[in-house]
Amino acid sequence: EPEVTQTPSHQVTQMGQEVILRCVPISNHLYFYWYRQILGQKVEFLVSFYNNEISEKSEIFDDQFSVERPDGSNFTLKIRSTKLEDSAMYFCARRGGNNSPLHFGNGTRLTVT
Amino acid sequence: AQKITQTQPGMFVQEKEAVTLDCTYDTSDPSYGLFWYKQPSSGEMIFLIYQGSYDQQNATEGRYSLNFQKARKSANLVISASQLGDSAMYFCAMREAYNNAGNMLTFGGGTRLMVKP
Repeated sequence: EPEVTQTPSHQVTQMGQEVILRCVPISNHLYFYWYRQILGQKVEFLVSFYNNEISEKSEIFDDQFSVERPDGSNFTLKIRSTKLEDSAMYFCARRGGNNSPLHFGNGTRLTVT
Repeated sequence: AQKITQTQPGMFVQEKEAVTLDCTYDTSDPSYGLFWYKQPSSGEMIFLIYQGSYDQQNATEGRYSLNFQKARKSANLVISASQLGDSAMYFCAMREAYNNAGNMLTFGGGTRLMVKP
């Protein structure tokens, strides 16, 4: 069983629509991440989130993206107006201590039509 | 410059044989960590092994070992006694300690390993 649960596993949406991807860590950690993987390509960093604040974000993470941890448990990634090129697998991950690896969820496959 | 380079887009290995997946990295940071992940066709990312830049010994984890050559900036993954279930994409990743407020990982392009029966 993964240490991070992501929902939904697959989401299809129309271009221009808003989507919210959800992540629920099983254990209580402070560091969370979103990564994405366009089909057949490398895994790309989007944003890191520590103590309920964004600690770093990549160039990909533009104004269309936002993250929240609204209830102290669920960690969400929102894409306000999806584009075709947003189609990808989105991974949530959590980390423990300084030298700890990232533990990924099973991912949400987003398809924008 | 690419921070993580995996030069083998695809590799075949015979079942029960050992295989080495290459990874070279580029950093000026003296403190960093190197990670290998496995991604089966189902899509999840599975952590395999970690090597810290100051670790004196090569990391091992069951059938996985990491051939860490610091001077060459390489961190090759060795899988011994390959099994059919090892067929997957394998990603090398690095975390630098400095200028990395988010402690993010940077991934290589991956190597697709196919184990032949």
